[in-house]
Amino acid sequence: AQSVTQLGSHVSVSEGALVLLRCNYSSSVPPYLFWYVQYPNQGLQLLLKYTSAATLVKGINGFEAEFKKSETSFHLTKPSAHMSDAAEYFCAVRLTGGGNKLTFGTGTQLKVEL
Amino acid sequence: DTGVSQNPRHKITKRGQNVTFRCDPISEHNRLYWYRQTLGQGPEFLTYFQNEAQLEKSRLLSDRFSAERPKGSFSTLEIQRTEQGDSAMYLCASSSSTSGGLNTGELFFGEGSRLTVL
Repeated sequence: AQSVTQLGSHVSVSEGALVLLRCNYSSSVPPYLFWYVQYPNQGLQLLLKYTSAATLVKGINGFEAEFKKSETSFHLTKPSAHMSDAAEYFCAVRLTGGGNKLTFGTGTQLKVEL
Repeated sequence: DTGVSQNPRHKITKRGQNVTFRCDPISEHNRLYWYRQTLGQGPEFLTYFQNEAQLEKSRLLSDRFSAERPKGSFSTLEIQRTEQGDSAMYLCASSSSTSGGLNTGELFFGEGSRLTVL
């Protein structure tokens, strides 16, 4: 069965510093992987997705993620954090069996400090 | 494209009451999903529809929960005899199963309906 694990429920960075949010996946088939962002009291917004094309995926708001099969990882990065990046970030993998259902990790709360 | 719309955004109810949430998906999307999210957790899959057919239900969806999508457009999620453990954010999402540009694999989420059971 497919699943994702997010390491670190809380990450704190200084404004302008590198952001690194970790996600490892488990899948018996080539996975489709996603990163979503959630601001307080809002729904989820897609940041980027990996669908077996290029292993380095660029998303919105300057975020990118690299698919590494050897490490079963799909970590999210941003070179320079901005205060507006403070939010909760979820990694997700598409489940087999049809329907485009996604299973989500437990999330990482990103705090950006001055 | 107005996105996925959910209402009400917030609902406070007393234990034992029934509540109903509505979701209007993106109009071109034939698939509709319900997820539940509790504090500090990721969204958990409840059920999904393709057109008007409910194709899958999670074990999380107890007998007190029922979802419908009668005309393959909007959907409702009803919770009967609410319990305090039902307090959560209920998220609706939609996607397309058709080939080509519409089927991009991701789900498009609404802003959610937050339920508080007193």
